Amino acid sequence: ETGVTQTPRHLVMGMTNKKSLKCEQHLGHNAMYWYKQSAKKPLELMFVYNFKEQTENNSVPSRFSPECPNSSHLFLHLHTLQPEDSALYLCASSRDRGTGELFFGEGSRLTVL
Amino acid sequence: GQSLEQPSEVTAVEGAIVQINCTYQTSGFYGLSWYQQHDGGAPTFLSYNGLDGLEETGRFSSFLSRSDSYGYLLLQELQMKDSASYFCAVKEVKSTFGDGTTLTVKP
Repeated sequence: ETGVTQTPRHLVMGMTNKKSLKCEQHLGHNAMYWYKQSAKKPLELMFVYNFKEQTENNSVPSRFSPECPNSSHLFLHLHTLQPEDSALYLCASSRDRGTGELFFGEGSRLTVL
Repeated sequence: GQSLEQPSEVTAVEGAIVQINCTYQTSGFYGLSWYQQHDGGAPTFLSYNGLDGLEETGRFSSFLSRSDSYGYLLLQELQMKDSASYFCAVKEVKSTFGDGTTLTVKP
C-alpha cells in the first residue's frame, strides 16, 4: 500500500454510539492532520500531530478525541455526536509541520442520525 | 485571523485557458498551495509557491505576489477531466483553505 489510507470509507452512527476513524500513512511523514469537510464549507483543520505529539487543537468539541500512537497512524474517536457532525473527515500527512504539500486520504463519510 | 477569497464557480470550454484567483489575509505567511478535488475524491496537491513568481507544472501554473497577497492557478489546454473543485490554501504554521472554486469544463 502507498499513500494515505482511511477506514472506514463510510460510517453511519447514532448519536449515542461510539466509533473510531482510522488513518494510516505509508509515506514516512512526521506530521498528520484531521480535517472536516462539510457541504458548502471550506476544509476545516481539526487536529495536528507532529512526531506523535498534538500541536494543534482547533477548538474542536470534546466529543471528537484524536489519538496518534505513532507517526504512521492517526485515529479519531467519536462519541455522542450530533447530526451537524455529519461530514467528510479527511486525514492528511506531510513531511513535517512546515511543509506546504499535504497528502490526503480518500476520507471517511460520516452520517450521524 | 486568516481569510481567503476565491470565486465559487468558473466555466470554460475544452482547450481554453482559465485562471482561478485567490486573495488572502493572514498573519504569518509561508506560502500558497493549490489542490484539486474531484467529486467524491480526496484533495490532491497541485502546486506550492513559497516565493513570488510563476511555478509551472505541465498544463498547470501557479503564481504568487506576496506584496499583493494574491495568487492564481492557471490551467491551460483544458480537458473534461479538469472539471473539479480547486482550493487555494495559505501555509502558515498550519494550512488554511479557501472555500474552493468549482470548475466546469464544457465540450
